[in-house]
Amino acid sequence: QSALTQPPSASGSPGQSVTISCTGTSSDVGGYDYVSWFQQHPGKAPKLMIYEVTKRPSGVPDRFSGSKSGNTASLTVSGLQAEDEADYYCSSLAANNYVFGTGTRVTVL
Amino acid sequence: QLQLQESGPGLVKPSETLSLTCTVSGGSISSGNYYWSWIRQPPGGDLEWIATIHYSGSTYYNPSLKSRVTISVDPSKNQFSLRLSSVTAADTAVYYCARHLPCGGTNSCTFDYWGQGTLVSVSS
Repeated sequence: QSALTQPPSASGSPGQSVTISCTGTSSDVGGYDYVSWFQQHPGKAPKLMIYEVTKRPSGVPDRFSGSKSGNTASLTVSGLQAEDEADYYCSSLAANNYVFGTGTRVTVL
Repeated sequence: QLQLQESGPGLVKPSETLSLTCTVSGGSISSGNYYWSWIRQPPGGDLEWIATIHYSGSTYYNPSLKSRVTISVDPSKNQFSLRLSSVTAADTAVYYCARHLPCGGTNSCTFDYWGQGTLVSVSS
């Protein structure tokens, strides 16, 4: 099972929006509504930001939103803030497996 | 607040077996329909799911690692463990334990609580 494909980097100025894509196949992203997004600051554990494609856990700002179309899921961070600078990973259930994305480093300019 | 803490040797020799334990506090490993997982991340690399277990003993493994991995649970100690045999330098990584919400029905199929991670280096 191959990793899900994400762009290596994305950036935006404070207050702007940034969208990160996560491309898989019909065997993972396209086949299940179980896409999650995790935020990871350097040296820290991943933190769940989005699950089941669009849902936010309690405590996650509504600036974070998720969507999916076909085999590609997306995470949008609106109103970028300095603390949003981090690595972001998508994940998806796959047949007999659970796969993560290649990670995107978001830089707040 | 649920907390997970990994423990185990930070250095393992090539061809030997890596053993890690995750201690769960702030909640029972046997309560609710929760599963418990190991995930790893090589230095500067991406996350990789390794294995998942339910307190009842049901196990699920990453097919690419299945031949070398054993996950087990000890509800009496509120712990679950990982064993990875025949390690090589490619197994050097930060190993995380995490709570997994199951998939299907009204479940969320995600990892909602993570330990801080422990770096395991494979070197002679």
